[in-house]
Amino acid sequence: GAGVSQSPSNKVTEKGKDVELRCDPISGHTALYWYRQSLGQGLEFLIYFQGNSAPDKSGLPSDRFSAERTGGSVSTLTIQRTQQEDSAVYLCASSLQGTGTYEQYFGPGTRLTVT
Amino acid sequence: QQPVQSPQAVILREGEDAVINCSSSKALYSVHWYRQKHGEAPVFLMILLKGGEQKGHEKISASFNEKKQQSSLYLTASQLSYSGTYFCGTPATLRAGGTSYGKLTFGQGTILTVHP
Repeated sequence: GAGVSQSPSNKVTEKGKDVELRCDPISGHTALYWYRQSLGQGLEFLIYFQGNSAPDKSGLPSDRFSAERTGGSVSTLTIQRTQQEDSAVYLCASSLQGTGTYEQYFGPGTRLTVT
Repeated sequence: QQPVQSPQAVILREGEDAVINCSSSKALYSVHWYRQKHGEAPVFLMILLKGGEQKGHEKISASFNEKKQQSSLYLTASQLSYSGTYFCGTPATLRAGGTSYGKLTFGQGTILTVHP
């Protein structure tokens, strides 16, 4: 079946511009996660959705970052007034349920470069 | 708190074995293992749960010591396809002694390279 998809796969933007990153989770997966991976670094949690609610936004680095999920499906991560330190690969993952006992399936990521 | 993985890197010849360790300073209810190849997304390998239940890759084995708050991933008779960066991830807990949810805190990764 279809996996997690993300778009765009690559995004180059100028400092100060806003960007939107999209994630389509696996159908039927109620939990959705956004992570960030900087060059050569590990995976950093950003936000967790259960359905359309975001019980944990603790990983968002600043108020320039926001995310929403609609219809219990597609999620959009928005970064306003991008900065060079925002450059990273943004990964979306989904799981059947939101407990820690379910595996997460990752999308291919969006590589964001802020110039 | 980020779990700590060891070693940071391993180089093997095909057919050799390796063990990757993951230690946490907090109580664990489960441990996740993922492998990421260069330029690709992480891929699920295994979840180890309290009580000994495991879910995941049939060719990979792992252990989970709840008391020591440690997990180990055992890669035996390694193949070239095993090369990549291995991450352990520990779920967050809603409250002390409570249930876990899927926000994963990942270790820093272990780079495994298998040569012919």
